[in-house]
Amino acid sequence: DTAVSQTPKYLVTQMGNDKSIKCEQNLGHDTMYWYKQDSKKFLKIMFSYNNKELIINETVPNRFSPKSPDKAHLNLHINSLELGDSAVYFCASSQDFQGAKPAFFGQGTRLTVV
Amino acid sequence: DAKTTQPPSMDCAEGRAANLPCNHSTISGNEYVYWYRQIHSQGPQYIIHGLKNNETNEMASLIITEDRKSSTLILPHATLRDTAVYYCIVPRSGTYKYIFGTGTRLKVLA
Repeated sequence: DTAVSQTPKYLVTQMGNDKSIKCEQNLGHDTMYWYKQDSKKFLKIMFSYNNKELIINETVPNRFSPKSPDKAHLNLHINSLELGDSAVYFCASSQDFQGAKPAFFGQGTRLTVV
Repeated sequence: DAKTTQPPSMDCAEGRAANLPCNHSTISGNEYVYWYRQIHSQGPQYIIHGLKNNETNEMASLIITEDRKSSTLILPHATLRDTAVYYCIVPRSGTYKYIFGTGTRLKVLA
């Protein structure tokens, strides 16, 4: 059983398109995250949700819109894709965002915008 | 934004202990030290975390100095599969937002 799963694993799309990446966790965690890893391998937090509520938004362009239908899912929708959006996107979850709770990551979605 | 400093790279012979240092001189009293690793382009993998006492689990040991300004992750018997980038992270107090720095690229040599 995969604890944090993302779909799709690979996504190739043209500039200007709108795409979504889905994330699901079966750990019963309250907090979920989206991270972006660019070509230089820097991992940067984008968003965090706790119990379906946004708690962290790291000045990400508003073309990126996270949606949490329930606490087990945090999807990432990207409008008007740009070349610079090409990266690996990682979803993660933790039990909650208070106290010493480690985060567990999915295997990533490699997005290529052409 | 990383509050930690790690050497960019290290080599370790297979079967030997790998000791990965991390400086976090501005750590606050209630902030934890976390270690993660990323093997190739897989998702980061949680290893261990601690506050002030030394910690050990099935993957590694974490030694935190008494003043808490530095720590060392110890992989007791490194294998080729431990080749990865290791990240030492001190989440900002009250946020538990993991800020990944550049980490240490550990290469385990046969």
